[in-house]
Amino acid sequence: GENVEQHPSTLSVQEGDSAVIKCTYSDSASNYFPWYKQELGKGPQLIIDIRSNVGEKKDQRIAVTLNKTAKHFSLHITETQPEDSAVYFCAASTGNQFYFGTGTSLTVIP
Amino acid sequence: KAGVTQTPRYLIKTRGQQVTLSCSPISGHRSVSWYQQTPGQGLQFLFEYFSETQRNKGNFPGRFSGRQFSNSRSEMNVSTLELGDSALYLCASSLGTGGISGNTIYFGEGSWLTVV
Repeated sequence: GENVEQHPSTLSVQEGDSAVIKCTYSDSASNYFPWYKQELGKGPQLIIDIRSNVGEKKDQRIAVTLNKTAKHFSLHITETQPEDSAVYFCAASTGNQFYFGTGTSLTVIP
Repeated sequence: KAGVTQTPRYLIKTRGQQVTLSCSPISGHRSVSWYQQTPGQGLQFLFEYFSETQRNKGNFPGRFSGRQFSNSRSEMNVSTLELGDSALYLCASSLGTGGISGNTIYFGEGSWLTVV
């Protein structure tokens, strides 16, 4: 089955700096890649997603890039703010089910 | 539009007991999937239901079961609870079967289960 690896597991940045989280996947049949943000005590919330026919997608301070050849995709957060502090999960879908990365705990230091 | 609703939010059970968790999907969503989240294992897929039929199942023992009703609401049951079953159980809903053609899944707040 699909295997999704996510790095780093923890990330600390100064407020205003950028944060990058990277994921790799193994199954070339994966065609949908969402990112979720999970705040303490809450369920994961979809923040952005990308499909395999697109290389990059941006939504305000958040962007996702996809490299199908290398089988990796990344989340970019610019101008980070303290409220960006949370755990971020990447996922890949082959069409049958979703496979999640192990999460990145992001801390934005004011 | 209301989101995915899970009940109860918190519960404590004793080893050997059983537990039933409930999930109401977003209105109009017909697919419900369940995940177990633990610090060590991350998000692990349990099963998915669509139109009252189990479409997919993860690698969990038979003690974990679920069902979906005609109104798309779903329940999952864990029998003969073990200490290792302590986790956050997340329900997610989507319009169609999860993953096909990029059907987005939306999570509820989860049910925190502690087994003592």
